[in-house]
Amino acid sequence: DAGVIQSPRHEVTEMGQEVTLRCKPISGHDYLFWYRQTMMRGLELLIYFNNNVPIDDSGMPEDRFSAKMPNASFSTLKIQPSEPRDSAVYFCASSLSAGTGDKPQHFGDGTRLSIL
Amino acid sequence: DQQVKQNSPSLSVQEGRISILNCDYTNSMFDYFLWYKKYPAEGPTFLISISSIKDKNEDGRFTVFLNKSAKHLSLHIVPSQPGDSAVYFCAGSGTYKYIFGTGTRLKVLA
Repeated sequence: DAGVIQSPRHEVTEMGQEVTLRCKPISGHDYLFWYRQTMMRGLELLIYFNNNVPIDDSGMPEDRFSAKMPNASFSTLKIQPSEPRDSAVYFCASSLSAGTGDKPQHFGDGTRLSIL
Repeated sequence: DQQVKQNSPSLSVQEGRISILNCDYTNSMFDYFLWYKKYPAEGPTFLISISSIKDKNEDGRFTVFLNKSAKHLSLHIVPSQPGDSAVYFCAGSGTYKYIFGTGTRLKVLA
């Protein structure tokens, strides 16, 4: 079975540019999560969707960040304009139900983002 | 406000010995606790979980213990193998969210 697929794996861009990260969840999963990993704060939840609807975006750091899920098999996280402090690894995860212990979240391999 | 804390950033253990990774939490509303393992350049992979109503869960070489009164959980790996070298994250699950600790890097020495 294909796992969660993220693209690109690496992104290097200049400050001020728009960045779009992409995610394809596991087929049949009804929850999708976007996380950011930094050295200082570890893995932080940015936003999650249930059945393509954003449920909680309280972790989105600023209005420069936006996320969409136009259908059950695709989601994007966009940063516009990007800043050097946005440099981090961004993970997408999906799960059946809300990811309780018996139905855990499955993570993609992440996008390493560097803003120069 | 860190609801889940992993106070040891790193741990080294000899192959064949026991590895014990610790995690403390402050939120009494967590209903599950989970451990994930992460290799470099890969995403975290689920390892084992425990319901908040239990005090132990075992899966092969991995056992998780939960002490609710102390708000503490631990992951035991016996015996440790070089392939277990990775970063381990604990997480509390509640209200549809995971709250992760900052991770412990385990190095198993051959």
